[in-house]
Amino acid sequence: DQQVKQNSPSLSVQEGRISILNCDYTNSMFDYFLWYKKYPAEGPTFLISISSIKDKNEDGRFTVFLNKSAKHLSLHIVPSQPGDSAVYFCAARTHGSSNTGKLIFGQGTTLQVKP
Amino acid sequence: ETGVTQSPTHLIKTRGQQVTLRCSSQSGHNTVSWYQQALGQGPQFIFQYYREEENGRGNFPPRFSGLQFPNYSSELNVNALELDDSALYLCASSLPGTISYNEQFFGPGTRLTVL
Repeated sequence: DQQVKQNSPSLSVQEGRISILNCDYTNSMFDYFLWYKKYPAEGPTFLISISSIKDKNEDGRFTVFLNKSAKHLSLHIVPSQPGDSAVYFCAARTHGSSNTGKLIFGQGTTLQVKP
Repeated sequence: ETGVTQSPTHLIKTRGQQVTLRCSSQSGHNTVSWYQQALGQGPQFIFQYYREEENGRGNFPPRFSGLQFPNYSSELNVNALELDDSALYLCASSLPGTISYNEQFFGPGTRLTVL
């Protein structure tokens, strides 16, 4: 039962253009969503997050949009840079008495930004 | 501030053996979560430890067990290893009640290969 899905395994964009990474979820009880970036041989690094009570959060070149009715979120990177090339994971937090802070991850999308 | 560290980096075991993986949490963080990341998949939650007690468990059999020590470092033990246990094992630390609680800090992982 894949509660968080990233349906695009890979994405390739030109440097300077916008990168849009998508994520869908099925559990309406998720209260917090996060994006992580992962380089080879490193652990995932937190990038940006959004609470379920908001529909947009922006941090520099990174913006996350949340559409609760569609159970969809997206990460926009503008402008994209070659250093952004990495695997991006969407994650959702379920808040409960026995699993506080547990993160459920999507399968990841590999972003390649070409110079 | 010391980040999350894990040891060993790589490990090769044979089916049926037992393995112990270690994690040192980021300074001041009292919560440690363990994740399993199979090839081509996102990390899957194994369990979380908070102040030396298990505080939530994912869909993993009892042969996956853990410990957290008074200094908040943690161990993941896997008994009776199976071929499907081959994966990257990630440890993440956080501190409830702070912004870092949402933004779990991951270590670089231990790559376990079961032959």
